[in-house]
Amino acid sequence: GAVVSQHPSWVICKSGTSVKIECRSLDFQATTMFWYRQFPKQSLMLMATSNEGSKATYEQGVEKDKFLINHASLTLSTLTVTSAHPEDSSFYICSASPETGLNTIYFGEGSWLTVV
Amino acid sequence: DQQVKQNSPSLSVQEGRISILNCDYTNSMFDYFLWYKKYPAEGPTFLISISSIKDKNEDGRFTVFLNKSAKHLSLHIVPSQPGDSAVYFCAASAGGAQKLVFGQGTRLTINP
Repeated sequence: GAVVSQHPSWVICKSGTSVKIECRSLDFQATTMFWYRQFPKQSLMLMATSNEGSKATYEQGVEKDKFLINHASLTLSTLTVTSAHPEDSSFYICSASPETGLNTIYFGEGSWLTVV
Repeated sequence: DQQVKQNSPSLSVQEGRISILNCDYTNSMFDYFLWYKKYPAEGPTFLISISSIKDKNEDGRFTVFLNKSAKHLSLHIVPSQPGDSAVYFCAASAGGAQKLVFGQGTRLTINP
């Protein structure tokens, strides 16, 4: 079946550095991907909608200059956390779908970011 | 403003019995609801969904009920199995959008 893959699964970075997380659709093309963030024991919160070939759409309260999203191809979206701070430590998850339906949304495995 | 709420952070059920997970929403624009199962450090996996034009959808051991007037939905799992132990999230969508609004999740533990 359709698979969405994220890389890396775990990453530790120092404060002030940037870290890139990749989200790939492995056997389908996705013009739109979504990035979510989950803090421990909390809900998944939508951060932004990644649009292939155009700018991402950010949810209210999400800093677009801090969370850079690039969707350069139909199978790859990247989220770059710039000038990371400890409060950015979280579980980041992407989703994508090969169709417009809602039952075909697939989530990546998630990426744990720890900023020290 | 939590538009989708799961007020029970945890639920413990005996194996073989029925598990009932509840979810409430506030946004009347939501017209599609989904339930996901999630293990730690993994992405959610889709379980079952329901459109607002229905009040019940069944798939094997899983049944989702929707009460639009109460803005409430529930997921029934029967019979519950140890492998069902996980965190369950309900999610909602408006107008067919694939961006979802999630509840806080309920940790279900099935005791042997």
